Amino acid sequence: SAVISQKPSRDICQRGTSLTIQCQVDSQVTMMFWYRQQPGQSLTLIATANQGSEATYESGFVIDKFPISRPNLTFSTLTVSNMSPEDSSIYLCSVRNYEQYFGPGTRLTVT
Amino acid sequence: QQQVKQSPQSLIVQKGGIPIINCAYENTAFDYFPWYQQFPGKGPALLIAIRPDVSEKKEGRFTISFNKSAKQFSLHIMDSQPGDSATYFCAAREITSGSRLTFGEGTQLTVNP
Repeated sequence: SAVISQKPSRDICQRGTSLTIQCQVDSQVTMMFWYRQQPGQSLTLIATANQGSEATYESGFVIDKFPISRPNLTFSTLTVSNMSPEDSSIYLCSVRNYEQYFGPGTRLTVT
Repeated sequence: QQQVKQSPQSLIVQKGGIPIINCAYENTAFDYFPWYQQFPGKGPALLIAIRPDVSEKKEGRFTISFNKSAKQFSLHIMDSQPGDSATYFCAAREITSGSRLTFGEGTQLTVNP
């Protein structure tokens, strides 16, 4: 299985600011994803991070709000832009070659 | 549109019991069905997965039963322990969408000592 790390593990941010979350994998992976999980809820896919090209966003998520980068096969970033309290959530990086694995998550609180 | 329906929402069993969590799906394009275990403050961990050409798969105390005709699959935890107390998610992957996983709503399992 892949070992996935995320930074930061948690943060408290002010409304209107932006936060960039980093995801690092210990080996090259075919696919990387970003999910959001509200407390007590299931996981919602934000986008698929594509290496060397624009991310593929799910319905309800847009690039201006959640810009994503994936410069290589082991690293990706998700930025949560112009944050509001509604963005308070856990953001999870996920990777897949065949099986799909999740990182530990970044707990974001927007005040 | 919820494509994977999971039940029950919560489940309480005594130590040694066999909790069963059920999932149902409609999309016949699904070809891979994993289960994840999530402890508070942690990311989901892959527990066990099954393909539709197999009716049952066991890994340790965890068993997936799969009924392709009924479009249902379930997780059984044998000899459950308090350490199994966690939230469990079933999921399914669509062939046409590549690797997108569709998740169930989750089941919060509590195993009492």
